[in-house]
Amino acid sequence: SAVISQKPSRDICQRGTSLTIQCQVDSQVTMMFWYRQQPGQSLTLIATANQGSEATYESGFVIDKFPISRPNLTFSTLTVSNMSPEDSSIYLCSVAITSPYNEQFFGPGTRLTVL
Amino acid sequence: GESVGLHLPTLSVQEGDNSIINCAYSNSASDYFIWYKQESGKGPQFIIDIRSNMDKRQGQRVTVLLNKTVKHLSLQIAATQPGDSAVYFCAEELLEGFQKLVFGTGTRLLVSP
Repeated sequence: SAVISQKPSRDICQRGTSLTIQCQVDSQVTMMFWYRQQPGQSLTLIATANQGSEATYESGFVIDKFPISRPNLTFSTLTVSNMSPEDSSIYLCSVAITSPYNEQFFGPGTRLTVL
Repeated sequence: GESVGLHLPTLSVQEGDNSIINCAYSNSASDYFIWYKQESGKGPQFIIDIRSNMDKRQGQRVTVLLNKTVKHLSLQIAATQPGDSAVYFCAEELLEGFQKLVFGTGTRLLVSP
């Protein structure tokens, strides 16, 4: 298993500002993911963040809006840039464990409200 | 209150009943399916998974059924308890993206004592 923490747990931000969300895992993992969960909605994958390579973004998400860092095998950050109220969501990171079974573990999420 | 599940389909059951939550998935080539439970204020938690070469898998109080013909998954929870109250998501792993998951719309389960 993996224990994942995120900071901050929640924040209220002003339109036009940026927020960086941190994700820390208690073991070394190759694959990390960032998801968005809009109010009352399901989870949508933003990007895959593998250490040592550029993040891979899903359709509808771009690096300028959601820059991601992955400096080592236990840590990643997601920045939500130039925020608007439409960015109000829960942002979750997850990690993929492949041994002994394939499984994804999720962090508790960061609840972002943009005014 | 938390907004997760606010607009999702809701299944209300009495404690002790059996619950069945359904999910339709999108990609007939998907090979791996997972059910997650998300409690208020928390991230999704793995419940049970199934590979496409199976049509049924049982865990502790939970059973997942897979019907590939109609691209349908169901999660059965036996003797539902108040602690089972949460939002439940199915997810499929796309073949073209290792560990890349596509989540279903979710169902909110409310268990009354």
